[in-house]
Amino acid sequence: NFMLTQPHSLSESPGKTVTISCTRSSGSIASNYVHWFQQRPGSSPTTVIYENNQRPSGVPRRFSGSIDSSSNSASLTISGLKTEDEADYYCQSYDNTNRNWVFGGGTKLTVL
Amino acid sequence: QVQLVESGGGVVQPGRSLRLSCAASGFIFSSYVIYWVRQAPGKGLEWVATISHDGRNKYYADSVKGRLTISRDNSKNTLYLQMNSLRAEDTAVYYCARDRWTPEAGGGMDVWGQGTTVTVSS
Repeated sequence: NFMLTQPHSLSESPGKTVTISCTRSSGSIASNYVHWFQQRPGSSPTTVIYENNQRPSGVPRRFSGSIDSSSNSASLTISGLKTEDEADYYCQSYDNTNRNWVFGGGTKLTVL
Repeated sequence: QVQLVESGGGVVQPGRSLRLSCAASGFIFSSYVIYWVRQAPGKGLEWVATISHDGRNKYYADSVKGRLTISRDNSKNTLYLQMNSLRAEDTAVYYCARDRWTPEAGGGMDVWGQGTTVTVSS
């Protein structure tokens, strides 16, 4: 199985831009789609980015996703940060070899 | 509206069994891959199991293989998780979630239930 590694926590000020990375330990990041979930305290996860860079309806354009084969990582970028963006963020992808669905460890984003 | 509602959680002693249910509504349940995902207290999300739209194919995380069994009844629009030989480390909120694509998996989990809590303790 491969692992997806995310920074444990990040902190940024309102109005700024933050990028959360998700690095795949083995195999190509481009092999399978990466999806990103937001989870606020006490709530179920919701999708903010799917299929590497697609935004579900209702998710603000401030949220964007990308992959970088040179660093074998995916990124979630949130611009114009708002206090409501404060949450845990998880990346997720699929392991074809082992038929496992893999989550990153999650990043706690603080906006203050 | 599209909805998944879990039930069946509770407090159970180590080694005992529990069955979780996930009732679906607002979409054609039999067309979608469904997942169980869990979250231990203060921890991250962990994939548990996946079942194909027709129930023929099932996949499990190594941590639960042989103890937890995913199944579905498409006539009742319901997903199940039979949990046997429970351990303290199975303590978590259990979520069911739907794949965005149909009928195959790959689009990510687009609809999540509210979760049901399982506590394994003597």
